[in-house]
Amino acid sequence: AQKVTQAQTEISVVEKEDVTLDCVYETRDTTYYLFWYKQPPSGELVFLIRRNSFDEQNEISGRYSWNFQKSTSSFNFTITASQVVDSAVYFCALSEAIDGGATNKLIFGTGTLLAVQP
Amino acid sequence: ETGVTQTPRHLVMGMTNKKSLKCEQHLGHNAMYWYKQSAKKPLELMFVYSLEERVENNSVPSRFSPECPNSSHLFLHLHTLQPEDSALYLCASSLGTEPYNEQFFGPGTRLTVL
Repeated sequence: AQKVTQAQTEISVVEKEDVTLDCVYETRDTTYYLFWYKQPPSGELVFLIRRNSFDEQNEISGRYSWNFQKSTSSFNFTITASQVVDSAVYFCALSEAIDGGATNKLIFGTGTLLAVQP
Repeated sequence: ETGVTQTPRHLVMGMTNKKSLKCEQHLGHNAMYWYKQSAKKPLELMFVYSLEERVENNSVPSRFSPECPNSSHLFLHLHTLQPEDSALYLCASSLGTEPYNEQFFGPGTRLTVL
């Protein structure tokens, strides 16, 4: 069965520290998609990144970077020089095709609460 | 208005009430979703609509009844709910239902059932 595990329930760092959020997934599909979302206290999930299974290049976007490793089924997210505004719950998700592949279902991890202290 | 909007943002209802949650997307997307987010549990997909047709009902109790009158609007009708139904209900939309489409979420409705 498809599954996403975010073992870190809560992380607390001091501003300007680097922090890595772990994500491990399980899937039998050979083609799949992974996502990271941020949920600030306001509630809405904000899309951060999508990665497909056949592209293992790491990605950097400003202070954010993602490390995708198929060999360990991991898709970790690093925030460099963290800021108070980064405080949120971060979710990793795996896209599962249902209905013969025509429909997308996101399997979410339980999320990691990141608290960045000033 | 931009993105995905949801009303109301907060709702308190008794177990015998009937209420509806509304979601509207201004992104020109063709697929819409309802998710339930309970404390300490992963987000659970409840319903998926593609071009106003329901394509997935994830074993949701019949006290939750979705309605999608057009590709921009999605409703969740609630009746005779239980206290364990208290949660954050999130609506999302995507361009299509293919697995590579990212979903865009609304701010959610915080529901409390007394």
